[in-house]
Amino acid sequence: AAGVIQSPRHLIKEKRETATLKCYPIPRHDTVYWYQQGPGQDPQFLISFYEKMQSDKGSIPDRFSAQQFSDYHSELNMSSLELGDSALYFCASSLRLSGSTDTQYFGPGTRLTVL
Amino acid sequence: GEDVEQSLFLSVREGDSSVINCTYTDSSSTYLYWYKQEPGAGLQLLTYIFSNMDMKQDQRLTVLLNKKDKHLSLRIADTQTGDSAIYFCAESIPGGYNKLIFGAGTRLAVHP
Repeated sequence: AAGVIQSPRHLIKEKRETATLKCYPIPRHDTVYWYQQGPGQDPQFLISFYEKMQSDKGSIPDRFSAQQFSDYHSELNMSSLELGDSALYFCASSLRLSGSTDTQYFGPGTRLTVL
Repeated sequence: GEDVEQSLFLSVREGDSSVINCTYTDSSSTYLYWYKQEPGAGLQLLTYIFSNMDMKQDQRLTVLLNKKDKHLSLRIADTQTGDSAIYFCAESIPGGYNKLIFGAGTRLAVHP
């Protein structure tokens, strides 16, 4: 079965640079979530999109922005990178069904290292 | 408020049962999840339980939910070395477009 695809898998950037992370959800899934997992930490919710509209926002810095495109893939744009942005960034996708859980399936993550 | 707590470490012998515990604070949580993360890997959904259920069994996995005490547990029968990983408990917040709130994760070590 197709899974969530994230690219790139690894990314090394220097401080103050920009980075773009991409997420391709499971086919027919309409909702995308982004999470950030720092070293030894639990994943923290950043932002989510449903049907190409932002649906919820968590602890996402103003330096970050994201969007979901017409083909449902999503991109997380990160500017003015800081050392503390080094983390594993997960994308998850789900199919939102009323009256049921929209179970989130996670991608393998993008490991971002800021030097 | 939203808070999920787990014990950080659990060590078991191969073949024994493992029980990983989790407590949550948001009584409006509708679904509770268990995810498994192996070193350097992504989050693998293991199982989930709806808040009006007490128990769910799926092969070697048994989930118990005590809604009154806001306590969730995951029991792994006949634990194998391949079960060594970090296990995250997560709650789904209704009205929050189902964003997941994760616990800190329990590192399970299985030894011979």
